[in-house]
Amino acid sequence: KQEVTQIPAALSVPEGENLVLNCSFTDSAIYNLQWFRQDPGKGLTSLLLIQSSQREQTSGRLNASLDKSSGRSTLYIAASQPGDSATYLCAVMPDSNYQLIWGAGTKLIIKP
Amino acid sequence: NAGVTQTPKFQVLKTGQSMTLQCAQDMNHEYMSWYRQDPGMGLRLIHYSVGAGITDQGEVPNGYNVSRSTTEDFPLRLLSAAPSQTSVYFCASRSPGSNQPQHFGDGTRLSIL
Repeated sequence: KQEVTQIPAALSVPEGENLVLNCSFTDSAIYNLQWFRQDPGKGLTSLLLIQSSQREQTSGRLNASLDKSSGRSTLYIAASQPGDSATYLCAVMPDSNYQLIWGAGTKLIIKP
Repeated sequence: NAGVTQTPKFQVLKTGQSMTLQCAQDMNHEYMSWYRQDPGMGLRLIHYSVGAGITDQGEVPNGYNVSRSTTEDFPLRLLSAAPSQTSVYFCASRSPGSNQPQHFGDGTRLSIL
């Protein structure tokens, strides 16, 4: 059974720092992996999607990597800003017809 | 663009009552799904659909029913509400394909007393 873990559960850093959020999964047979952002009391916004055949994806200050052999993905945030404060969720899609299996998230606080 | 619309945004029920959470999407997505989110846990899949007339169970389907009569709508029914169903419920939709992300509604916050 696929399980997704995110460590740490919470992270607080000063503004301007580069940071890495971690996601691990137990079964390397995945369809894709997605990173989402959730603001308090809000829905989820898709940030980056990495297909099974890809190694990384980039959007602005965000870069996500995927290493299926080790069961790991990282989300790199460059030059963090207070507006980046949110909970970041990692999710794995096991196959084309199923839906997502989720980590519990990392709550990120960027201090001005 | 409306995207995925969930109603109501908030609801309080008494134990044993029934209700339907509504979900509609205007992106012509074939796939729709319902998740629940509880504190300290990741989202868990309740039911999903890969097209009109086709539904299947997810990880935590007990106590919930779904139907998919149109591409646009995917309502979630609570048959007899229990306090354990207090949660935030999210509806999502996507197109087929490994490069297609999921789009989420803003959620329904449900409390069962």
